[in-house]
Amino acid sequence: GESVGLHLPTLSVQEGDNSIINCAYSNSASDYFIWYKQESGKGPQFIIDIRSNMDKRQGQRVTVLLNKTVKHLSLQIAATQPGDSAVYFCAENIAGNQFYFGTGTSLTVIP
Amino acid sequence: DTAVSQTPKYLVTQMGNDKSIKCEQNLGHDTMYWYKQDSKKFLKIMFSYNNKELIINETVPNRFSPKSPDKAHLNLHINSLELGDSAVYFCASSHRGGTETQYFGPGTRLLVL
Repeated sequence: GESVGLHLPTLSVQEGDNSIINCAYSNSASDYFIWYKQESGKGPQFIIDIRSNMDKRQGQRVTVLLNKTVKHLSLQIAATQPGDSAVYFCAENIAGNQFYFGTGTSLTVIP
Repeated sequence: DTAVSQTPKYLVTQMGNDKSIKCEQNLGHDTMYWYKQDSKKFLKIMFSYNNKELIINETVPNRFSPKSPDKAHLNLHINSLELGDSAVYFCASSHRGGTETQYFGPGTRLLVL
């Protein structure tokens, strides 16, 4: 399988601050990436995706940055809210085959 | 209505038993998946079916046997359960597979004693 890792397994932020969750991937052929959010007791939920021909994509309060040179992906959450507390996964895909998921970062928002 | 549903939500059983987990999706998707999530939250694909046909079969013990009676259902049967099978099992579906967004079920928490 492929290696998709995260720099930090846990992250705590104050409510209202911005959060940055990082992900390193190992296969330079990966051409599509997704960030998932998994709340306690639930299944992963799609947040945002990005293709390798882009280096930035924005959603509602979330931004994904892709640096193909160093094989690094980040998820930025603006004005973090208590409801953002969850485990966040990055997943990579190569040429439309299966996704490989990272181990996850647990985000805790402190009120 | 729940898009991807799994039953049971919790499953506690003895080592050596045989058990099944059921999954149903009402999204009209063609592709369904089974993932295993371990205690460290690592999520790994086990199987993928497209229109009832097996397309991904990762290195999984043959004690695990998926079965897709129709494209809306993908069940997972596990024979001779072992302690190491304890995990959360997620079913997911996507429109056509590949890079299509996968929608996950709520998970089945399996504990083998």
